[in-house]
Amino acid sequence: DTGVSQDPRHKITKRGQNVTFRCDPISEHNRLYWYRQTLGQGPEFLTYFQNEAQLEKSRLLSDRFSAERPKGSFSTLEIQRTEQGDSAMYLCASSDALATGRSYTDTQYFGPGTRLTVL
Amino acid sequence: AQKITQTQPGMFVQEKEAVTLDCTYDTSDPSYGLFWYKQPSSGEMIFLIYQGSYDQQNATEGRYSLNFQKARKSANLVISASQLGDSAMYFCAMRVSGTASKLTFGTGTRLQVTL
Repeated sequence: DTGVSQDPRHKITKRGQNVTFRCDPISEHNRLYWYRQTLGQGPEFLTYFQNEAQLEKSRLLSDRFSAERPKGSFSTLEIQRTEQGDSAMYLCASSDALATGRSYTDTQYFGPGTRLTVL
Repeated sequence: AQKITQTQPGMFVQEKEAVTLDCTYDTSDPSYGLFWYKQPSSGEMIFLIYQGSYDQQNATEGRYSLNFQKARKSANLVISASQLGDSAMYFCAMRVSGTASKLTFGTGTRLQVTL
């Protein structure tokens, strides 16, 4: 059973460029989450999918950010017109909502993250 | 709104000793889950242990145990027999039933295990 994978692991870009990150969840996990982590902080929630439906978006997710999960498997997170403030670690996690009977108890398993540096 | 507070920015422990990492939480929802994650310098968040608000007993997973005091709203992580490989950032996190998606994280505690 492979874990959550993310690609690329590191990305350096110039301000104003667009970037796209990919996340492959644990197979058969129906929930997928994106978080952002800046230096010295815990991860902050960005958005969440159940299968292919994007069910929640944080206010942190500005109009320049878009996420997709077209077939309910892998997901992409795109940042348009990057800014220096977008520099962070972007973490993806997945969970199996059917594993427990309660909506808040399924464990989220994280990938290694994509570290974005905007110059 | 939910909030997690970790008041220890850094902790030191000698190898083979036990250490307690503090976590307090705030929520008005009676149904919630508490999680601890370990983040080594490589960056990946590794799930350690889970405690549900209705669980009667404290959770244990190998060398990890969770000291859950519901009235005090605390969920401290106890690591027994510390190993050098335990050196990492440790994050406490919470999910409540009304927000089935997101985890709310604390700011973390950096643990350093010494010889």
